[in-house]
Amino acid sequence: LAKTTQPISMDSYEGQEVNITCSHNNIATNDYITWYQQFPSQGPRFIIQGYKTKVTNEVASLFIPADRKSSTLSLPRVSLSDTAVYYCLVGDTGSGAGSYQLTFGKGTKLSVIP
Amino acid sequence: EAQVTQNPRYLITVTGKKLTVTCSQNMNHEYMSWYRQDPGLGLRQIYYSMNVEVTDKGDVPEGYKVSRKEKRNFPLILESPSPNQTSLYFCASSLRQGTYNEQFFGPGTRLTVL
Repeated sequence: LAKTTQPISMDSYEGQEVNITCSHNNIATNDYITWYQQFPSQGPRFIIQGYKTKVTNEVASLFIPADRKSSTLSLPRVSLSDTAVYYCLVGDTGSGAGSYQLTFGKGTKLSVIP
Repeated sequence: EAQVTQNPRYLITVTGKKLTVTCSQNMNHEYMSWYRQDPGLGLRQIYYSMNVEVTDKGDVPEGYKVSRKEKRNFPLILESPSPNQTSLYFCASSLRQGTYNEQFFGPGTRLTVL
């Protein structure tokens, strides 16, 4: 599994756009990039996934440069309710042989300030 | 409603008293796993199962057992709990193994071992 590196924490004011970058230098050809959001005392929930370029849904956008060695989760105009931990995961569909552990790591703790 | 359920949600026990935390999913998912979450350490995988009767160790399996006799159930067993197993535990499931597949998390079980 590709190792990922994210900032431990970020602060933002309400209404601002927040960008959280994840580094994954040894990403494999078949790997996808998936982001999860976790509110306090709840399990993580899937928010967005991509393979290359840009993906957008109702919650966030995901930007992936051509070399795919990093990715950026973008949250537009954050509110207090976006305060959460955000996890970046990199891995494939699981169709090949090998270990199928999942590594969430410590994630990025986003604090939105009024 | 598609969901992952865990029981109990809260448990206080004493050192050495065997306990089982149940996990059940109603989505016919093949992949199930257990995580523990501790302050500053993030989300760490304990055990995972790729299908019935197929289980394997995650990052922190010591002191835990699991079984997968039915597709929908994946109980976590602590044969002799110790205070260092005090933690917040999450069960998760996905259609198949692989980071590509969305993980669905249960509500969590907060365990305190005295």
